[in-house]
Amino acid sequence: EAAVTQSPRSKVAVTGGKVTLSCHQTNNHDYMYWYRQDTGHGLRLIHYSYVADSTEKGDIPDGYKASRPSQENFSLILELASLSQTAVYFCASRGTGGGERLFFGHGTKLSVL
Amino acid sequence: QQKVQQSPESLSVPEGGMASLNCTSSDRNFQYFWWYRQHSGEGPKALMSIFSDGDKKEGRFTAHLNKASLHVSLHIRDSQPSDSALYFCAATGNSNNRIFFGDGTQLVVKP
Repeated sequence: EAAVTQSPRSKVAVTGGKVTLSCHQTNNHDYMYWYRQDTGHGLRLIHYSYVADSTEKGDIPDGYKASRPSQENFSLILELASLSQTAVYFCASRGTGGGERLFFGHGTKLSVL
Repeated sequence: QQKVQQSPESLSVPEGGMASLNCTSSDRNFQYFWWYRQHSGEGPKALMSIFSDGDKKEGRFTAHLNKASLHVSLHIRDSQPSDSALYFCAATGNSNNRIFFGDGTQLVVKP
């Protein structure tokens, strides 16, 4: 089974602080994604990448930056964390081709206080 | 307008019953459809895919696709309490790196 590992599993941050969420995949997948999920709701795309050293904006990129230094690693950066960014964040990867499935990590629960 | 819409938002069925989840897309470029399932506290996991018109059966789960009406459905026969989860419909096209998700259907199977 393809593996996507996120770290940390949970984090408490202060308003205005910097937060970095990390994602590592061992699937040899080109595509990686960051999603945000608010309690009991759907998945919203923040940023994605289809090749190392390149990232694309998703539907809700404001307040977030992404970095893809290698095929295996994809980070999400909150330069100035805000209360509204409290949520669970999921990283996912998939292979090329429209029919490929997404493999998700376990998620990072972020609480901004 | 959201490209993938799911209904109902929530669904409760008795153990052993049939659960039916629906998904409608608004983009005729979509070619590939997936159902994902998310148990509480976990990440979503791919449940099954459907790419061609008609039915696809995997165990107790049957997916149906009608590309003409852009409608996808998932039917769970003999529902079990372990099927209680948030179910997402997802769609993508040939030339698209993006995967579009619906808002999900919360299924509760009562013992």
